[in-house]
Amino acid sequence: RKEVEQDPGPFNVPEGATVAFNCTYSNSASQSFFWYRQDCRKEPKLLMSVYSSGNEDGRFTAQLNRASQYISLLIRDSKLSDSATYLCVVNAGNTGKLIFGQGTTLQVKP
Amino acid sequence: SQTIHQWPATLVQPVGSPLSLECTVEGTSNPNLYWYRQAAGRGLQLLFYSVGIGQISSEVPQNLSASRPQDRQFILSSKKLLLSDSGFYLCAWSPARREQFFGPGTRLTVL
Repeated sequence: RKEVEQDPGPFNVPEGATVAFNCTYSNSASQSFFWYRQDCRKEPKLLMSVYSSGNEDGRFTAQLNRASQYISLLIRDSKLSDSATYLCVVNAGNTGKLIFGQGTTLQVKP
Repeated sequence: SQTIHQWPATLVQPVGSPLSLECTVEGTSNPNLYWYRQAAGRGLQLLFYSVGIGQISSEVPQNLSASRPQDRQFILSSKKLLLSDSGFYLCAWSPARREQFFGPGTRLTVL
């Protein structure tokens, strides 16, 4: 079983749609959770941290379910510029290492 | 604010040649530093990480090595490149066991 699993997609959605990505992780000792965005041939960039109570940043909402070891990202009112690969990331227990999922590709169409 | 630099941006090298990629961080001290590789269409693979000068942890046995000669400098090296070393090499820094911030990367092609 992979340490962080994501549906690779691609998710093809029209502009304005709401899209949700899911992720599961295997290490119950993980304490920190993040979503990163990676554009084609570019470095990953931190999109948002994920907190236990859930958190929102504009059109983006992240949720964490520790009991199920499940993380989600919801994007509302999709824009063409949201097209990218979204990486689910968890820390490897009490270490400085992060475990990256393979990523979910989103294509927003006009 | 903190910035992270990597060079070169692109590199084409013959099989068997040496490699040296450099990463430097500005605006912070004693960062955790990381080297990753991303093969085409694949996920990120952690190669090395460092919590301080001269302290290197290797994640994957291979023909690569890393060094940290100064607090904010991280170098990835190889004595003899293999075809399988081709990929996108990313350096990242972290303030302390939290989120990581990536440099722009070096795209390496070994022919």
